[in-house]
Amino acid sequence: DAGITQSPRHKVTETGTPVTLRCHQTENHRYMYWYRQDPGHGLRLIHYSYGVKDTDKGEVSDGYSVSRSKTEDFLLTLESATSSQTSVYFCAISVGGVNTEAFFGQGTRLTVV
Amino acid sequence: TQLLEQSPQFLSIQEGENLTVYCNSSSVFSSLQWYRQEPGEGPVLLVTVVTGGEVKKLKRLTFQFGDARKDSSLHITAAQPGDTGLYLCAGRSSGGSYIPTFGRGTSLIVHP
Repeated sequence: DAGITQSPRHKVTETGTPVTLRCHQTENHRYMYWYRQDPGHGLRLIHYSYGVKDTDKGEVSDGYSVSRSKTEDFLLTLESATSSQTSVYFCAISVGGVNTEAFFGQGTRLTVV
Repeated sequence: TQLLEQSPQFLSIQEGENLTVYCNSSSVFSSLQWYRQEPGEGPVLLVTVVTGGEVKKLKRLTFQFGDARKDSSLHITAAQPGDTGLYLCAGRSSGGSYIPTFGRGTSLIVHP
């Protein structure tokens, strides 16, 4: 199994509070991604990183920010959580380039009340 | 607009039946992956197909990439309850970014 760890695995937070989700990899892969998965929408890309301090937006980036200060860690922050951000969040990694095979963490279930 | 369309969206069958799920696009893909996701877990890579017309087998699962590299299929022979899960296709379109695009998945339930 690819060495990807997401934390926390479950979180309940209140509307308006900031939340940070962490993704840690031991594979030294260049690319890291944050997706959210919701019924009827599948996996939607929030942000991705192609190297330390190199990040870019995905299709649903509003309300989210990311940081990657080390190769192994990719943080996703919800600046002010809203109920619409209740979802399951997945981190994924890939070698990058023409090889888009991705390896996923186990997910974080976030509930915003 | 979904770049990768998967069908059917849901499939409920009895153990021992055969099934095929489809992944279609109007774009040409340089490679395409299939994943299986079980409840409460992240997707797990099953296979990658690269060459038009390519067929790969993984035990009772047969994956095919269309000749034009615009579509793919997954055929399961003699389905078992352990095959239950969400099957996702994903890939990179030719000339597209190096970010995988995912279909919305086919949810399969195999009843004992």
